Amino acid sequence: GENVEQHPSTLSVQEGDSAVIKCTYSDSASNYFPWYKQELGKGPQLIIDIRSNVGEKKDQRIAVTLNKTAKHFSLHITETQPEDSAVYFCAPDLGDYKLSFGAGTTVTVRA
Amino acid sequence: EAQVTQNPRYLITVTGKKLTVTCSQNMNHEYMSWYRQDPGLGLRQIYYSMNVEVTDKGDVPEGYKVSRKEKRNFPLILESPSPNQTSLYFCASSSRTTNTEAFFGQGTRLTVV
Repeated sequence: GENVEQHPSTLSVQEGDSAVIKCTYSDSASNYFPWYKQELGKGPQLIIDIRSNVGEKKDQRIAVTLNKTAKHFSLHITETQPEDSAVYFCAPDLGDYKLSFGAGTTVTVRA
Repeated sequence: EAQVTQNPRYLITVTGKKLTVTCSQNMNHEYMSWYRQDPGLGLRQIYYSMNVEVTDKGDVPEGYKVSRKEKRNFPLILESPSPNQTSLYFCASSSRTTNTEAFFGQGTRLTVV
């Protein structure tokens, strides 16, 4: 099965600073790499994704980078704001209907 | 509005008393799945279904059952709940014909005493 590791488990940043979360996976067959954000009391929601034929994707203040050779992908949040405080999950997809999630990263943005 | 609806949101029950958590989606998705979320362990998949009458075990299926008689519904059944099944449960759906984004319900917090 897919082995997914996510680091760090917690991250505290000053408002306005950047945050980076890294996800490593063990199976080279992975070809879809999403990041989900879970706000308090809610279910996870997709915020950005990338496919194996692309190295980087940006959407306003968030970006995802992919290194297939090293088998890791990262979430980058720039100019962090209080509403970025949440739990973030990576979920590399093998394409076999088994969506494996990392253990999550709790991000706290300090005002 | 596209959504995944779980019920109930909160449930306290006693050991051994059968319960069902319902999940319904209105997006005509083929794929549905159940997860449990526990501190430090992320989201672990319990069961998934690729289409009507097709279900398969995820990573932590022990103590759970599911059924997929209709495309929109995917109930999670605990025949004899135990305290170690106290957790936060999420249902999710996605369409494999378009993209693989998963849409999650709001969650069901279950306490077994």
